[in-house]
Amino acid sequence: AQSVTQLDSQVPVFEEAPVELRCNYSSSVSVYLFWYVQYPNQGLQLLLKYLSGSTLVESINGFEAEFNKSQTSFHLRKPSVHISDTAEYFCAVSNYGGSQGNLIFGKGTKLSVKP
Amino acid sequence: NAGVMQNPRHLVRRRGQEARLRCSPMKGHSHVYWYRQLPEEGLKFMVYLQKENIIDESGMPKERFSAEFPKEGPSILRIQQVVRGDSAAYFCASSQREVWNEQFFGPGTRLTVL
Repeated sequence: AQSVTQLDSQVPVFEEAPVELRCNYSSSVSVYLFWYVQYPNQGLQLLLKYLSGSTLVESINGFEAEFNKSQTSFHLRKPSVHISDTAEYFCAVSNYGGSQGNLIFGKGTKLSVKP
Repeated sequence: NAGVMQNPRHLVRRRGQEARLRCSPMKGHSHVYWYRQLPEEGLKFMVYLQKENIIDESGMPKERFSAEFPKEGPSILRIQQVVRGDSAAYFCASSQREVWNEQFFGPGTRLTVL
C-alpha cells in the first residue's frame, strides 16, 4: 500500500527566509507526485506536480520540488518566503497507471510566515 | 470559467438526519472525486465517479454513505443517519478525462453534526 509522510506538522519561519517542507512516500510501483496548497477556508490548489522527465519541478510563485527516487522524497522548497505563503501544504501521490482517481495525501504541513 | 462548485459551504445536522452534499465539476470535466478531511488529518479519498458510473469507491464507508453523478446535474454525496464522527470537511475535485492526474478542488462543505 502507498503512504505519504510529512514529518513536520508546523513550520514557522520569518519573512524572506528559506523554507523546506519535507515529504516522503512509500510505494512498490511508480508514482506521480503532487504538492497542493490550502489557504484558510478554501479548497486545495495544485502547486506543482511531477509526472516524468526532469526531477526538478517549479511553480509560478517561486516554489520548487525535487523528486528523489532513491530517497523516496519530494521535498518542497522556496529560497525566500512571503507573508502570503502562509497556508497549509499537502503532499500527495498516485499510482502510475492506477485507478486514476485515488490521490493519497499526507497529513499536511502548516507554514506560518512571520514578519 | 467557473471552478468546481460545492454547496452548501456549511451544513449543520443533528444525529440521525441525512446530509446531502453537492458538487458541480468544472465545465468540460467528466471525472469527479470526493475526499474527506478530518481535523488535523490530510484528505482521504472516498469515491471516484464518471457520469452515471462509480469507478472506484474503495474509500467509502460500507454503510450510510452513497454517491452518484447523474447524466444531468451535480454529483451528490449522501450521508444517511449522520453521527458525530461524520463531522468533517468534504471536498470534491474534478478533472478532464484526458488529464486525470490534475484534479481541481472545490471550496469544500463543512459538515457539523450536533
